Amino acid sequence: EVQLVESGGGLIQPGGSLRLSCAASGFTFSSYDMHWVRQGTGKGLEWVSTIETAGDPYYPDSVRGRFTISRENAKNSLYLQMNSLRAEDTAVYYCARGHDDYWYFDLWGRGTLVTVSS
Amino acid sequence: QSALTQPRSVSGSPGQSVTISCTGTSSDVGGYNYVSWYQQHPGKVPKVMIYDVNKRPAGVPDRFSGSKSGNTASLTISGLQADDEADYYCCSYAGSYVFGTGTKVTVL
Repeated sequence: EVQLVESGGGLIQPGGSLRLSCAASGFTFSSYDMHWVRQGTGKGLEWVSTIETAGDPYYPDSVRGRFTISRENAKNSLYLQMNSLRAEDTAVYYCARGHDDYWYFDLWGRGTLVTVSS
Repeated sequence: QSALTQPRSVSGSPGQSVTISCTGTSSDVGGYNYVSWYQQHPGKVPKVMIYDVNKRPAGVPDRFSGSKSGNTASLTISGLQADDEADYYCCSYAGSYVFGTGTKVTVL
């Protein structure tokens, strides 16, 4: 089955660190750009990061310098290292696959909840 | 990288049409034909409905259509059905991704 499964979320204090993982299955993981997208409770979607097949990462200003995206193709896994966490980082974090020919997200995981609170 | 602007809500009766706007700038929506639209039911994962402004992925009903004029993209839902009630987000790719603020569609 083609799917993405996130893990690693939880409750973390402000200033702390957390590492999210995304396990991919059912497709050739190494052939796709991969992404993280988050959604605060009752809020909209926000793009968090992208890693291309070649390993080049991209971030919006809101997380650049604090978050690091990486991938391990041999393990069909995507990661997001989140440091210096803030209350505004509280959200469900989705792992998403980029379509191989077009610029959109064609497969989503069910998400993992990160809560930043003291 | 400001979020694209969408109306907070739109509504229509079954069978009617509704249109959701998505306004950006010449650096995102207006500069590239890489606008996609996502439908999200409560508690569910987003699902792509339109990509490249007006293309539909396999399995998406032709009641959903997209267009663009200048810095504003639009999603039109024709023949509104109860299951269309959901949140809708536009997204533009211009070297990086930016989502819209989201629109709640209510079927009266």
